[in-house]
Amino acid sequence: DIQMTQSPSTLSASVGDRVTITCRASQSISIWLAWYQQKPGKAPELLINKASSLESGVPSRFSGGGSGTEFTLTISSLQPDDFATYYCQQYRSSPTFGQGTRLEIK
Amino acid sequence: EVQLEQSGAEVKKPGESLKISCKTSGYTFTSSWIGWVRQKPGKGLEWVAMIFPGDSDIRYSPSFQGQVTISVDKSVSTAYLQWSSLRASDTAMYYCARGVGAVGNYYMDVWGEGTSVTVSS
Repeated sequence: DIQMTQSPSTLSASVGDRVTITCRASQSISIWLAWYQQKPGKAPELLINKASSLESGVPSRFSGGGSGTEFTLTISSLQPDDFATYYCQQYRSSPTFGQGTRLEIK
Repeated sequence: EVQLEQSGAEVKKPGESLKISCKTSGYTFTSSWIGWVRQKPGKGLEWVAMIFPGDSDIRYSPSFQGQVTISVDKSVSTAYLQWSSLRASDTAMYYCARGVGAVGNYYMDVWGEGTSVTVSS
């Protein structure tokens, strides 16, 4: 299995901040990476696929980057609705997820 | 609009069997992968299995192979996940999700609301 490691596990930030979450793969996955947002008590929602392709309807303040083994999810200006847990997932082979990054209000 | 409607919460005893469902609408059921993701209380996401209804190709995560069975009923555009003998460690939320991608390599673009499964004596 390809292992996915996210950092940090918890991130405290304020409305308006720019934040970046990192996801590292245990081996190269090219650009086969997705990002999801999950709010408490809700199902995950797809934000980005193919490392940087924004899903329809996702605000443009979200962006993804990277290739190979290192990837980032950046939120350019945090909004109150963005405080949630974020997961990366590789699909270079059988899907595996990162452990999640909880984005909390400072 | 693509929708995945999951069956309701279940409370079972260890050793009992269970089958949960995911009724789909808004897309051609036989043209996309559909599968399941587990989330234990307070924990992260784990991919369980995927099935392609068009040809019944099935893929399991190695961690779940032999522990669960995925199936579909094309006549009602519904996917299922079943256990023959539940364990306390199966307690979790189970999400169905539509898979996008090639065989064995998927991301999930649409998710159901989840089915809570509690196994306790």
